[in-house]
This record gives sequence, C-alpha cells and structure tokens, in this order.
Amino acid sequence: NAGVTQTPKFQVLKTGQSMTLQCAQDMNHEYMSWYRQDPGMGLRLIHYSVGAGITDQGEVPNGYNVSRSTTEDFPLRLLSAAPSQTSVYFCASSSGGNWGYTFGSGTRLTVV
Amino acid sequence: GNSVTQMEGPVTLSEEAFLTINCTYTATGYPSLFWYVQYPGEGLQLLLKATKADDKGSNKGFEATYRKETTSFHLEKGSVQVSDSAVYFCALVLFGNEKLTFGTGTRLTIIP
Repeated sequence: NAGVTQTPKFQVLKTGQSMTLQCAQDMNHEYMSWYRQDPGMGLRLIHYSVGAGITDQGEVPNGYNVSRSTTEDFPLRLLSAAPSQTSVYFCASSSGGNWGYTFGSGTRLTVV
Repeated sequence: GNSVTQMEGPVTLSEEAFLTINCTYTATGYPSLFWYVQYPGEGLQLLLKATKADDKGSNKGFEATYRKETTSFHLEKGSVQVSDSAVYFCALVLFGNEKLTFGTGTRLTIIP
C-alpha cells in the first residue's frame, strides 16, 4: 500500500522557471490538498479538491495552479517560480475530514 | 474564521519526564481535532484524533481529550522517550469543510 506518493523529493529552480509537483494516492480518497511548510508558520493550505474535476483555493493560492482530472492524481503547478516559493510542499488525501489526512513525504523546493 | 493556537516551542525534556503540549482552537462550527507528528525529514503522521466533546484520543502512550468548554485539546504523555523527539502539530477540521487548519507546531527534544 503506497499511500500518498510525491515526486520529486528535492528540486532546485531558477527564478521564473515553471514546474509541476506530482502527487498520487492509491486509497481512492475523495479529498486531496496541497500544503506548504515554512519555519515558524506551520502548514498553510494552498489548494484543495473534494473530488475529480473540483478544486478550490486555500489560504495561499497565488502563484500556484492545480487540476484534478482523476481521483488518484493532484498535481501542483508553479507558473513562474519566485524565491518566496522556497518551501517544503506536502500533499495529503482523506476519505473525509473526521478520518484525518494521510500525508506524502514532501518535496523540498528551493528557488534561486 | 478557524484557528489553532499551540504552545510555543521548542520544548526540551529529560527522558521519562511528563509531557504536556497545549492546544486551543477557535472554530465557527463543531470541529474534529487531531494531533500530527513529524519526525525529522519525514512527512506528517496522524498521531491521534477526537471527533466529539469529551472524547479521548490515544496512541503510542500519548493522549488528548476534547474539551469543548475550554476549546482545548492538550497533548500529554506520562513518560517520554528519546524516540518521541519530533515536531507536533495540533489541527482541526470542520465537518463538510474538509480543510485541515494547523497550529504552528511545537518542536520537542528529549535528552537521555
């Protein structure tokens, strides 16, 4: 049981470059979310999805896009990377909020 | 809006000491409450949860009781071990909202 798989684990980008962070889950969970983790700020919600074809913005959505074409996949796109997007990114999935979310192992992104 | 306030860290304890990490919340509805743990270099793992008032969540010797009257969900352990060194996050989710709101995290270090 793989759970939530994120790729890549590490990435260095130059300012202005674009990239996609991949997230896949094999638990048939409806709900998926992307968070960023910054020192002293906990985890902040970027975007989330309540099912295939349905996405919405979280607390810090600017500079990021998402789509949910299948139940399994929820990629996060950085359109034009900025140093302020240097962070650790976590993807998570759940069958319903009361059950809690399962998290991936994270992607550490550095923008130079 | 919804928010979670956690005890400021870092917290350093000796092995076998008693642990309390305070967590209080503000929510517009009736939330479910969670504690997540993040070991160095890893993603977040669900430690325990409680979904209604007076519920006690427990796991690996950790406990937390959902106190609606004080809007609190404090994490406790009677005798900590070096292996408990990690960052601990308190979080909430509202039924039907499905978005986790996190506290800023508390870094715990246990010294032998």
